[in-house]
Amino acid sequence: EIVMTQSPATLSVSPGERATLSCRASQSVSSNLAWYQQKPGQAPRLLIYGASTRATGIPARFSGSGSGTEFTLTISSLQSEDFAVYYCQQYNNFLTFGGGTKVEIK
Amino acid sequence: QVQLQESGPGLVKPSQTLSLTCTVSGGSISSGDYYWSWIRQPPGKGLEWIGYIYYSGSTYYNPSLKSRVTISVDTSKNQFSLKLSSVTAADTAVYYCARGIGYSYCDYWGQGTLVTVSS
Repeated sequence: EIVMTQSPATLSVSPGERATLSCRASQSVSSNLAWYQQKPGQAPRLLIYGASTRATGIPARFSGSGSGTEFTLTISSLQSEDFAVYYCQQYNNFLTFGGGTKVEIK
Repeated sequence: QVQLQESGPGLVKPSQTLSLTCTVSGGSISSGDYYWSWIRQPPGKGLEWIGYIYYSGSTYYNPSLKSRVTISVDTSKNQFSLKLSSVTAADTAVYYCARGIGYSYCDYWGQGTLVTVSS
């Protein structure tokens, strides 16, 4: 099983600032990596797939990078609606999710 | 617009079988482009993939749950279903159904349904 590790567990950021979230895979997943946003009481929402391709309707302030075992999700200027939990997910070998990073208001 | 909706009992007794159905609307479950997944989330915790099914009936399960999971599809009703046997309190979670692009990321999700395992 491929283990996905996200850091930090919690990120405190002020509105308008940049947020950088990390995701590490226990073995290479190539670019088979997606990012999701989840708000309380809601289903996850697809943000990024293929490590760096934004899903339909996702604002340009969200960007993804990386390949192999190291990945990053960057939110360039945090808006109020961006405070949420973010999950990475590999799909190179079945599906496994990271433990999540909570982005909270500083 | 594709929509998915989970349905089933919200309370299951320990040792019994959890059964849920996902109804897909706005698109055909028989499209060859998609796999149909079940994913769960214990209260306050992260996401765990349970398994997925192709419209033909081919299935793939999380190895950690494989011995207890059965996923099936009914193309005539545009539905797919989950059965999880011998449940314990550890199976208490919000259960989501989702559409996968091939056997990869999920672009559409149901709203989720909370299933509690308790006597």
